[in-house]
Amino acid sequence: AQSVTQLGSHVSVSEGALVLLRCNYSSSVPPYLFWYVQYPNQGLQLLLKYTSAATLVKGINGFEAEFKKSETSFHLTKPSAHMSDAAEYFCAVRVTRANAGGTSYGKLTFGQGTILTVHP
Amino acid sequence: NAGVTQTPKFQVLKTGQSMTLQCAQDMNHNSMYWYRQDPGMGLRLIYYSASEGTTDKGEVPNGYNVSRLNKREFSLRLESAAPSQTSVYFCASSPGQGNTEAFFGQGTRLTVV
Repeated sequence: AQSVTQLGSHVSVSEGALVLLRCNYSSSVPPYLFWYVQYPNQGLQLLLKYTSAATLVKGINGFEAEFKKSETSFHLTKPSAHMSDAAEYFCAVRVTRANAGGTSYGKLTFGQGTILTVHP
Repeated sequence: NAGVTQTPKFQVLKTGQSMTLQCAQDMNHNSMYWYRQDPGMGLRLIYYSASEGTTDKGEVPNGYNVSRLNKREFSLRLESAAPSQTSVYFCASSPGQGNTEAFFGQGTRLTVV
């Protein structure tokens, strides 16, 4: 079964500093990987996704993530943090499955989340 | 462009009461999901519907039932609410296959007292 581990439930950085949020996954089949962001009292918004076309994936708001198969990692980075980046970030792995009736669906498994705080 | 719409946004229930959370999507997606979010635990899958007419249990189905009313709508029912069901509930939808992401509603914050 697939699983996701996010290292660090809280990360604090200064404005302008590098942001690094760690995600490791386990999956018995090639996974699809996602990073979502959740601002307070809102739903989840997709930041970026790994499509297998390129190992370095660029997303919205200047974020990017690198897929490293040998390390089973998909860490999220941003060169320079902004105050507006303060939010909770979730890594997720998706594996295509079939239900008992044979219908395909994508089972998303989420990490525990990392709350990013940005200090002035 | 509404996407995924959940109602209500907030609800307070007394222990033992029942209620239904409604979810509708307008993206013609095949698959729909219900998650609950609790601090430090990420999102956990309660039930999903791979396609219209099918529903299956996720990781934490106990105390819940679902109905896939049609392709657009997927409801979650709490028959006898318990304080342990205090949580934020998210509905999501996805086309069903491939590397496409899931799209989420804004959530329902449920408190059971």
